[in-house]
Amino acid sequence: DAGVIQSPRHEVTEMGQEVTLRCKPISGHDYLFWYRQTMMRGLELLIYFNNNVPIDDSGMPEDRFSAKMPNASFSTLKIQPSEPRDSAVYFCASSGSNEQFFGPGTRLTVL
Amino acid sequence: AQSVAQPEDQVNVAEGNPLTVKCTYSVSGNPYLFWYVQYPNRGLQFLLKYITGDNLVKGSYGFEAEFNKSQTSFHLKKPSALVSDSALYFCAVEGNTPLVFGKGTRLSVIA
Repeated sequence: DAGVIQSPRHEVTEMGQEVTLRCKPISGHDYLFWYRQTMMRGLELLIYFNNNVPIDDSGMPEDRFSAKMPNASFSTLKIQPSEPRDSAVYFCASSGSNEQFFGPGTRLTVL
Repeated sequence: AQSVAQPEDQVNVAEGNPLTVKCTYSVSGNPYLFWYVQYPNRGLQFLLKYITGDNLVKGSYGFEAEFNKSQTSFHLKKPSALVSDSALYFCAVEGNTPLVFGKGTRLSVIA
């Protein structure tokens, strides 16, 4: 298995633009997680899904953030409109039992 | 709610010396405990986990961790540190909700 796949790996955009991050979990995993990592706040759980259904989105910072999982092999995290304070590394992870497997992350820079 | 504390932001150790990265946890019921490592510009990688059984858990790259229920601790250890062990280490606990991560401890192994 190729592991968790995220795209793009790097994204540079201007304030106010829409940003869409993509994730393909490991086949057979029924949990999917979105995290954000910054120097100031560390690793934050934004939202997680179980069997494509959002279970807890209490970590989503604002209404500008939204996440979907239309099927078991694909999820998106969208920021609209983006702001400079959204600059961070965004990780997707999937899990089939206890341990989570992380993707390589998307480094987002909002100018 | 479950929580994890990593009391040290930074740990420095000389190559060849034993290393310890500390972690304490709080959770209702029996804990599932994990250690992850993050190398620069990479996602988190699973190192080891404690679910039940022997209190000493062995994991990848020669790391081990000791579960201590009375002290609610799960310290990460390695008998002889390598320069290549330098990275960011995260402790995590799973209770009624998916993994809660600590803030991370940066380990620097000096040649």
